[in-house]
Amino acid sequence: GQNIDQPTEMTATEGAIVQINCTYQTSGFNGLFWYQQHAGEAPTFLSYDVLDGLEEKGRFSSFLSRSKGYSYLLLKELQMKDSASYLCAVMDSNYQLIWGAGTKLIIKP
Amino acid sequence: DVKVTQSSRYLVKRTGEKVFLECVQDMDHENMFWYRQDPGLGLRLIYFSYDVKMKEKGDIPEGYSVSREKKERFSLILESASTNQTSMYLCASKFRTSDLWSNEQFFGPGTRLTVL
Repeated sequence: GQNIDQPTEMTATEGAIVQINCTYQTSGFNGLFWYQQHAGEAPTFLSYDVLDGLEEKGRFSSFLSRSKGYSYLLLKELQMKDSASYLCAVMDSNYQLIWGAGTKLIIKP
Repeated sequence: DVKVTQSSRYLVKRTGEKVFLECVQDMDHENMFWYRQDPGLGLRLIYFSYDVKMKEKGDIPEGYSVSREKKERFSLILESASTNQTSMYLCASKFRTSDLWSNEQFFGPGTRLTVL
């Protein structure tokens, strides 16, 4: 079966760094997406990775290891507005997205 | 900016009613998707469409149907609403492309449907 695992909830402090992990087992792999979803709003695209390694985009970075079936999203200099759910999704061999349940990130002052 | 709009943000219906959820995108995307989102579960694909008048079943199509008469519009129909269809419904669209880096899906704001 296909499976995406990520922690249900994480808490971090404003100004700190947090790493949100995602592990996957899918039939085929055509890349991994991270989306951010604020409560009651649409998911918005953060990153797409299909090659191994770390990609940095400002305060947000994403890492992928295809051999380990593992990715993480790294958020630096946390701000209160980063409080949201972070969704991991893998594009399988049919180019369909398989979604994790999302990680709710709570930022405390 | 890509814009995906959905006809209602909140909807309350009674068991057995026929429910229409509409989604419109303004970026000429070929592919459109309907998902439902429930607490503790990932987004689950109900139906998708690659082109006008084309539709494909997703992972959980039972109890739903869709219509794509125009490229920009994709409708989700609940023929006879049931309480287990109470959920957040999200529409998304994207280009049909072989370029892996262009497969980002753009989402609408969602419709929170309650079936009583």
